[in-house]
Amino acid sequence: EADIYQTPRYLVIGTGKKITLECSQTMGHDKMYWYQQDPGMELHLIHYSYGVNSTEKGDLSSESTVSRIRTEHFPLTLESARPSHTSQYLCASSEFNSLENTFGSGTRLTVV
Amino acid sequence: KNEVEQSPQNLTAQEGEFITINCSYSVGISALHWLQQHPGGGIVSLFMLSSGKKKHGRLIATINIQEKHSSLHITASHPRDSAVYICAVVKNTDKLIFGTGTRLQVFP
Repeated sequence: EADIYQTPRYLVIGTGKKITLECSQTMGHDKMYWYQQDPGMELHLIHYSYGVNSTEKGDLSSESTVSRIRTEHFPLTLESARPSHTSQYLCASSEFNSLENTFGSGTRLTVV
Repeated sequence: KNEVEQSPQNLTAQEGEFITINCSYSVGISALHWLQQHPGGGIVSLFMLSSGKKKHGRLIATINIQEKHSSLHITASHPRDSAVYICAVVKNTDKLIFGTGTRLQVFP
């Protein structure tokens, strides 16, 4: 049973649209992460947060933005989607002093 | 060169076979994860290791810190084990670096 939820699971959207990918966790974890996975490629960290009002960019540059207004919620926004944003986006969380991550089911985004 | 390398990239097996997937890394780590990703994309954490060996059901994971190498073994493989298996290491920070995964297909 998943304690971290991502919506939508699949999204096909036109170029130029604004989109928000949702990620919520019910475990009270302080740390949350967004990873991007292009087809056949490894996951790369694009954003992370260590708590409310804390957000940082990850190792892979991304045009997306994130916010952390509540502990349980870590949405990712693309202001103007482009075909190059087509990818899978995975959200994860962990307790502050833990190295263990819990992963969501991912959002597969296609921009046409 | 990736900091985390997995082999093989693709693996097919007959049901019941013993399977080994390897992971080598080139950086100092505080832990290593083995993850399973099904076709729908969701990821499940199988193991987190910092030393030695762990077993869960038909799955066994080992790590050799000196050799910077880990293996994931599946005994008595089953078609439902078909998935992508991903090795990820925790560098001296808490962030994960992922391998490209091993795609396993187990046929009846």
